[in-house]
Order: sequence, then structure tokens, then C-alpha cells
Amino acid sequence: AQSVAQPEDQVNVAEGNPLTVKCTYSVSGNPYLFWYVQYPNRGLQFLLKYITGDNLVKGSYGFEAEFNKSQTSFHLKKPSALVSDSALYFCAVRDRVYKLSFGAGTTVTVRA
Amino acid sequence: NAGVTQTPKFQVLKTGQSMTLQCAQDMNHNSMYWYRQDPGMGLRLIYYSASEGTTDKGEVPNGYNVSRLNKREFSLRLESAAPSQTSVYFCASSGTGNPNYTFGSGTRLTVV
Repeated sequence: AQSVAQPEDQVNVAEGNPLTVKCTYSVSGNPYLFWYVQYPNRGLQFLLKYITGDNLVKGSYGFEAEFNKSQTSFHLKKPSALVSDSALYFCAVRDRVYKLSFGAGTTVTVRA
Repeated sequence: NAGVTQTPKFQVLKTGQSMTLQCAQDMNHNSMYWYRQDPGMGLRLIYYSASEGTTDKGEVPNGYNVSRLNKREFSLRLESAAPSQTSVYFCASSGTGNPNYTFGSGTRLTVV
């Protein structure tokens, strides 16, 4: 079965500092990986995905993610965090029938 | 605006009551999904419908039934609600060849 793990429940950073949210995956075959963000009392919004190609994927709101096959990781990054980036972030992996399996989520708090 | 519409947004049920959560999408997507979100557990797939006329169980289907009424609508029914079904429920859809999910804004259900 395919799965992702998010080892950190919470990440706290100061505004302007780099932000990293970690994700590791376990799949058979080529991984299709995703990041979603959830703001309070809202549904999930798509940030970015890795299907194939370049290991560095750029997405919405200045976020990017680095795919590392040897470390089976897909960490989300932002060079300079904003207070408005405070939210719940989910990593996900897709199976062959297009179902997504989500990690437990990481709460990001960016302090002013 | 195009997207996924869920109703109701909030609901309180007594143990043993039944109810149906409604979901409709206007993006002509083939696939639709129901997830539940619980703290620390991420999103777990309840049922999905890969195409009109088909439904399949996900990770946590017990206590739920679904109906894919047509291409637009995918409903989730709780026949006899239990406190363990207190959760936030999200409907999502995706199109053929596009792995991105579009999520509804969720239904917050409390069973007392």
C-alpha cells in the first residue's frame, strides 16, 4: 500500500525565515506526490505536485518542493515565510486508481 | 464559481439518527470522493466513485453508504449515526488525466 508520513505535527518559524515542511513516502513504482494546504474552516487547496521530470517543483504562493528519490522524501519549502502562510499542510500520494492517501498533516505557524 | 458544493455546512445528530450529506460538482469531473478529517489522522477515504455508475469502498467505509446519482452528484449517507462519526466530511472531485483534486468546503458533523 502507498503511504506518506509527515514527521512533524507542528512547525514554527519567524516571518521572513525559510520554511520547510517534511514528508516521506512509501510507494511501489513511480510516486505521484502532492501538497495541499488547508486554512481554518476551509477545504483543502492544491499547492503543487510531482509526477515526473525536474526534482524541484514550483507551485502556488511561492512554495516549492524537492523530490528526493534516494531519501524517499518530498519536502515542501518556502524561502521567506509570511504570517499568511500559517495553515495546515498535507502531503499526499496517488495510487493507480487516482485515489489520494494523505499524511496526518503539519500545522505551520509563522510569527510576526 | 465553478467547484464542489457541499450541504449542509453544519449538522448535529442524535445517536441513531440518519442523514445524507450532499455533494455536487460542476466541472464535469468523472471521479468523486468522500473523506473524513479527524485531528491527528489527516484525511481518510470513506468511499469513492471512479466514474458515473460505480462506487467503491475506501479505507473507512463502515457505517456509511454512498450514491452516485449522476455525473454531478455524489451523496454520503449515515444510516444510524454514532458518536464515532463526529468529524468533518469533505467531498472532492477530479477529472480524467488530471490528478488534482478539487475539494468542497466541508460538513462539520457532531453526533451526540
